[in-house]
Amino acid sequence: DAKTTQPPSMDCAEGRAANLPCNHSTISGNEYVYWYRQIHSQGPQYIIHGLKNNETNEMASLIITEDRKSSTLILPHATLRDTAVYYCIVRPHSGGYQKVTFGTGTKLQVIP
Amino acid sequence: DSGVTQTPKHLITATGQRVTLRCSPRSGDLSVYWYQQSLDQGLQFLIHYYNGEERAKGNILERFSAQQFPDLHSELNLSSLELGDSALYFCASSVGRGSYNEQFFGPGTRLTVL
Repeated sequence: DAKTTQPPSMDCAEGRAANLPCNHSTISGNEYVYWYRQIHSQGPQYIIHGLKNNETNEMASLIITEDRKSSTLILPHATLRDTAVYYCIVRPHSGGYQKVTFGTGTKLQVIP
Repeated sequence: DSGVTQTPKHLITATGQRVTLRCSPRSGDLSVYWYQQSLDQGLQFLIHYYNGEERAKGNILERFSAQQFPDLHSELNLSSLELGDSALYFCASSVGRGSYNEQFFGPGTRLTVL
């Protein structure tokens, strides 16, 4: 798996957009960017994934730079329940049995 | 609720002992993954099974072993336990064989080794 780099922590005011960056400068052409989050020792929860186009679902938006070396997860209106550790992962989207590597993620604190 | 169940929720044991953690995947999912999360650490991938067969191994100690049964539930066996094995152990399941499939995580088993 390609290595990812995320800031260890971020704060965001409640109701504002939370923008979580991820650097994946060694990403390969067939690797997708996935985001998961983990709320206080619960099992991680899938959020979104993408290859090169921006993606949006009911939880978040994913913006991937044109060179695919970095991405940003956007929570448009952060709530207190979004306080969690957010993991950015890259891995192939076809074939293969890969070791799945989660880093230490970004601890997002949403402040009232 | 992800649909993945893990038992027990909590386990307290002594050094040198052996324990078994159990995971039932979501209905229809054929892949099961095991992860270890020590205090303030990221998730460490241990092992992946697909339809009963081992498919990928991560940083799993030789003292640890796993298997997936015909009914697709999985067990993680930890033996000769050490203090450093205290951690949260998660299993996840996915429908397909590749690690690229979206994974659904269980609530975890918290293991404390005294």
